[in-house]
Amino acid sequence: GAVVSQHPSRVICKSGTSVKIECRSLDFQATTMFWYRQFPKQSLMLMATSNEGSKATYEQGVEKDKFLINHASLTLSTLTVTSAHPEDSSFYICSAKGINSNQPQHFGDGTRLSIL
Amino acid sequence: AQSVTQLGSHVSVSEGALVLLRCNYSSSVPPYLFWYVQYPNQGLQLLLKYTTGATLVKGINGFEAEFKKSETSFHLTKPSAHMSDAAEYFCAVSSWFNQGGKLIFGQGTELSVKP
Repeated sequence: GAVVSQHPSRVICKSGTSVKIECRSLDFQATTMFWYRQFPKQSLMLMATSNEGSKATYEQGVEKDKFLINHASLTLSTLTVTSAHPEDSSFYICSAKGINSNQPQHFGDGTRLSIL
Repeated sequence: AQSVTQLGSHVSVSEGALVLLRCNYSSSVPPYLFWYVQYPNQGLQLLLKYTTGATLVKGINGFEAEFKKSETSFHLTKPSAHMSDAAEYFCAVSSWFNQGGKLIFGQGTELSVKP
């Protein structure tokens, strides 16, 4: 089946630093990638949708200057958490989807971000 | 607009017993429906999906779900629970009309399996 690789799986860093998370589709072309945030014991909250070669579409309440998304190729999207603070600590998950409308999203294994 | 409601945030069954996880959806357009499973500290794995065609959908690990339009439901079942089925399960809805296939998730149901 389709594989999505997310890296790193875990990050611990100091407050004020920026953290980049990569999401790669390994065996298909991902025309659309999604970034989610998940709090403990809760569902996934969609942060933004990115289409290759265009600007990401952010959900209401998500700061685009805080969470920078780049989707420069059909196999790679990145999420950069800028000037991270402890409240940004969370589990971040990406997913990728091919061009066909009824194809499901395939998810990465997530990144546990801890800001000290 | 679309939404998903999963009835029961936690379900506990005995090993070998029937698993039933409930999902009801709301959609103003023909829905695509999905069930995903999440193990601790991992991403989501697709169990099964319904887009069009046969309303009884079979997925991986012995799970199946039936799309019932009249009841706006997409309940997940498995005849006999296994210890390895213990995980968090998410029902989700999308549609062809949602730009990029945006998924709307339910709140999730945690399945516990007792020996």
